Amino acid sequence: DAGVIQSPRHEVTEMGQEVTLRCKPISGHNSLFWYRQTMMRGLELLIYFNNNVPIDDSGMPEDRFSAKMPNASFSTLKIQPSEPRDSAVYFCASSTGHVDEQYFGPGTRLTVT
Amino acid sequence: GESVGLHLPTLSVQEGDNSIINCAYSNSASDYFIWYKQESGKGPQFIIDIRSNMDKRQGQRVTVLLNKTVKHLSLQIAATQPGDSAVYFCAENTDDYKLSFGAGTTVTVRA
Repeated sequence: DAGVIQSPRHEVTEMGQEVTLRCKPISGHNSLFWYRQTMMRGLELLIYFNNNVPIDDSGMPEDRFSAKMPNASFSTLKIQPSEPRDSAVYFCASSTGHVDEQYFGPGTRLTVT
Repeated sequence: GESVGLHLPTLSVQEGDNSIINCAYSNSASDYFIWYKQESGKGPQFIIDIRSNMDKRQGQRVTVLLNKTVKHLSLQIAATQPGDSAVYFCAENTDDYKLSFGAGTTVTVRA
C-alpha cells in the first residue's frame, strides 16, 4: 500500500491566491482527517469526514477554508483567498474507524507570501 | 534521558541509553492514547497506543505507561538509536473521533 498520498508536497503562493491541497486516503479507510501544523499551535484538526460526509468542521478557521470529499479516494482542502498566516504544513490522515490509528500523509508545506 | 513534554520540549540522549518522554494530558475522560513519532519532513507515524483500562503496554523497544491518577503518560525507548531522533507527540482521544495532540518533545540522539 502506498499510504496516504498528498499533493503538492510544497506550495508557494502569493497572498490572495486560491490554494488547493489534495489527498488520497488509504484504500478501504472510511475516515479522513485534515490537520494543520504550526510551531505556535502544534497539530490542529481542521475537519473530519466519515464515509465521505463532513462530520465535524469546527476546526476550520474561517470561511476562506473549505474541504470536500467527492468520493472515497479523494479529498481537497481549499483556501480562497490565501493569507500569510495560513502558512503551515497541512496533513491528511485516514483510518478505518473513528479513533483508530490514523495514518498520516507526508504533508503539504504551504507558504503564502 | 528524561523530559517533561510540556515544560522541557527537547531531550538529548546518548546513543544506547534509554529515553523517557513524558506527557501530561488534560481530559480525565480520555480513554485512548497514542504516541506518534514525526521525523523531519514527514507526517506523524504511529508508535504505540494504550487504552485506559491498561497501565502499561510494550512494543518493540518501546513501552508506554499510563497513570490515570495524575493524568500522565510516558514513552520509554530502550537502547536509543540515531534513527530515534525525531519529535514525539502524545495524543489523547477526547471525543468519539478526535485526537488532541500535545506540543511534542524533540529527541536528539548523540553518537
